[in-house]
Amino acid sequence: GAVVSQHPSRVICKSGTSVKIECRSLDFQATTMFWYRQFPKKSLMLMATSNEGSKATYEQGVEKDKFLINHASLTLSTLTVTSAHPEDSSFYICSARGEKRDRGAGGYTFGSGTRLTVV
Amino acid sequence: ELKVEQNPLFLSMQEGKNYTIYCNYSTTSDRLYWYRQDPGKSLESLFVLLSNGAVKQEGRLMASLDTKARLSTLHITAAVHDLSATYFCAVDMRKAMNYGGSQGNLIFGKGTKLSVKP
Repeated sequence: GAVVSQHPSRVICKSGTSVKIECRSLDFQATTMFWYRQFPKKSLMLMATSNEGSKATYEQGVEKDKFLINHASLTLSTLTVTSAHPEDSSFYICSARGEKRDRGAGGYTFGSGTRLTVV
Repeated sequence: ELKVEQNPLFLSMQEGKNYTIYCNYSTTSDRLYWYRQDPGKSLESLFVLLSNGAVKQEGRLMASLDTKARLSTLHITAAVHDLSATYFCAVDMRKAMNYGGSQGNLIFGKGTKLSVKP
């Protein structure tokens, strides 16, 4: 089935630094990538949607200058948290959607998530 | 405003018992997903429901979809401890009428934290 590899799984960084999270679709072409944020014991909140080669579409309230999304190829999307602060600590999950024949789970394949802790 | 409401949010069950989790949504859509999430982990796909009246079963879990009632259920039969997790439903907005939002995305319920006790 379709697999999305997300790295790193855990990262601890100092306030003011930037952190990059990568999601790669391993066996299909991810035409669309979704980035979610999940607070402890809460549901997933969509941050942004990106299509390969286009600028990402951010949800209301999400700072596009803080959360930089790049989707330069059909197999790779990155989320960079710039000038991270403790309130950015969260669980970040990517989800990819590709061609019908490639993906499982009815269209969306989730990465394994990244636990970001900003100290 | 688009809403996906799950209930209950917390469910403590004894092994061997049956229970149902409900997922109501506020717009028309004929595609709904159920996911499982273990602590510290990402989402595991359980079911994709693609049409009105769809019913799918896997082991002790059975999911159904009633698009007219805008309701999906996840039924647990004879619960076992291994089923303890948080379960999310999600509505696919690509299949929702009059949706002018993002380029097709999932709207998640708040999740149901299931705890199965011996």
